[in-house]
Amino acid sequence: DTAVSQTPKYLVTQMGNDKSIKCEQNLGHDTMYWYKQDSKKFLKIMFSYNNKELIINETVPNRFSPKSPDKAHLNLHINSLELGDSAVYFCASSLPGTGWEGNEQFFGPGTRLTVL
Amino acid sequence: RKEVEQDPGPFNVPEGATVAFNCTYSNSASQSFFWYRQDCRKEPKLLMSVYSSGNEDGRFTAQLNRASQYISLLIRDSKLSDSATYLCVVNYPSNTGKLIFGQGTTLQVKP
Repeated sequence: DTAVSQTPKYLVTQMGNDKSIKCEQNLGHDTMYWYKQDSKKFLKIMFSYNNKELIINETVPNRFSPKSPDKAHLNLHINSLELGDSAVYFCASSLPGTGWEGNEQFFGPGTRLTVL
Repeated sequence: RKEVEQDPGPFNVPEGATVAFNCTYSNSASQSFFWYRQDCRKEPKLLMSVYSSGNEDGRFTAQLNRASQYISLLIRDSKLSDSATYLCVVNYPSNTGKLIFGQGTTLQVKP
């Protein structure tokens, strides 16, 4: 009965390959996020979608492309993988922010990506 | 200056100790504040929200000082199971729901 799920949990691949990570939430939330957590443990927002519409797009290389087929799913496709892409990628979801407030975000278990 | 700053630690304390973590944030327009907990190789989970008047949840007490842009978390009677990284989180003041995470403070409670 997982609230936010991600697949795969581990991903090991060669430089230059293209890979996708999938995320699904069953919480009925409208807003979903992708975060990257690097080796120094900083958790940084990459993208956010609200009801399939892109609302946050941080300074991320355009090799990264999110796709939201419906509000319960947010996938992340990465082209031409580089060594520096190695990190843990977390998906999260929340109710939409009201005004300038933020809401609790629920995280998936993470996808540990290693680029060789 | 980082948007949310924390002392990364580690803080090594004996069981039963009281430990306090501090955090500062740079944007005075931020409205929402949280402490998240992240266990090793796991996802972050909400520990508690932080309210203007301060709030308590069992052994955990959170305080907010808006004038100093400072947030604290106090853990009393530390348990071995409290060992984790504690992330200070502040919303980015916009209508996007964006949250800014601090680097985290690592706590290790020893028997």
